[in-house]
Amino acid sequence: DTGVSQNPRHKITKRGQNVTFRCDPISEHNRLYWYRQTLGQGPEFLTYFQNEAQLEKSRLLSDRFSAERPKGSFSTLEIQRTEQGDSAMYLCASSGTAISNQPQHFGDGTRLSIL
Amino acid sequence: AQSVTQPDIHITVSEGASLELRCNYSYGATPYLFWYVQSPGQGLQLLLKYFSGDTLVQGIKGFEAEFKRSQSSFNLRKPSVHWSDAAEYFCAVGAGGTSYGKLTFGQGTILTVHP
Repeated sequence: DTGVSQNPRHKITKRGQNVTFRCDPISEHNRLYWYRQTLGQGPEFLTYFQNEAQLEKSRLLSDRFSAERPKGSFSTLEIQRTEQGDSAMYLCASSGTAISNQPQHFGDGTRLSIL
Repeated sequence: AQSVTQPDIHITVSEGASLELRCNYSYGATPYLFWYVQSPGQGLQLLLKYFSGDTLVQGIKGFEAEFKRSQSSFNLRKPSVHWSDAAEYFCAVGAGGTSYGKLTFGQGTILTVHP
């Protein structure tokens, strides 16, 4: 069990640029979640995958955000035309599906800063 | 929709003192409850979880939590705090059914430990 891995750890970009983050879940986990955490707040749910299928998206996920999990393994989260309000920590988590609500294991996150 | 309230934004205790962090939740069915801990710049580490059964659950690092349905609470406790416990603590409720276990987090409680 190598844990959930996220890359990059930090990303600084100018407003209007596109950014992409990667998440590698724990290998036997088929559920993958993305959350966003702003300063002083708890994480907020963005989207969820079971294997390669994206089954739920939060209304927080505007049209500028897209997430994929093409082969049911790693996932990417892309933000197009970044805005100041996108500055946050983006967290990925994974879990198994033996029973509902298996605990989610989190990566260390990608911190995005928009200049 | 589910929600979580952590009434205390910041708590300060002396090393060796006991600790209780409060968590109140709102959820229409039987909740799945979690406590996570986050150190600065890091992801979230699971401390303990409640799914069903015994309402007093034990976790890692000497933490425990008690589920009280009548009070809609899931408070975290530790009998003797160590300096290494200084971090931010998040309570979360998991949604079952068609929400695939996505977590709703509280705002977090920052714990400061004085020597």
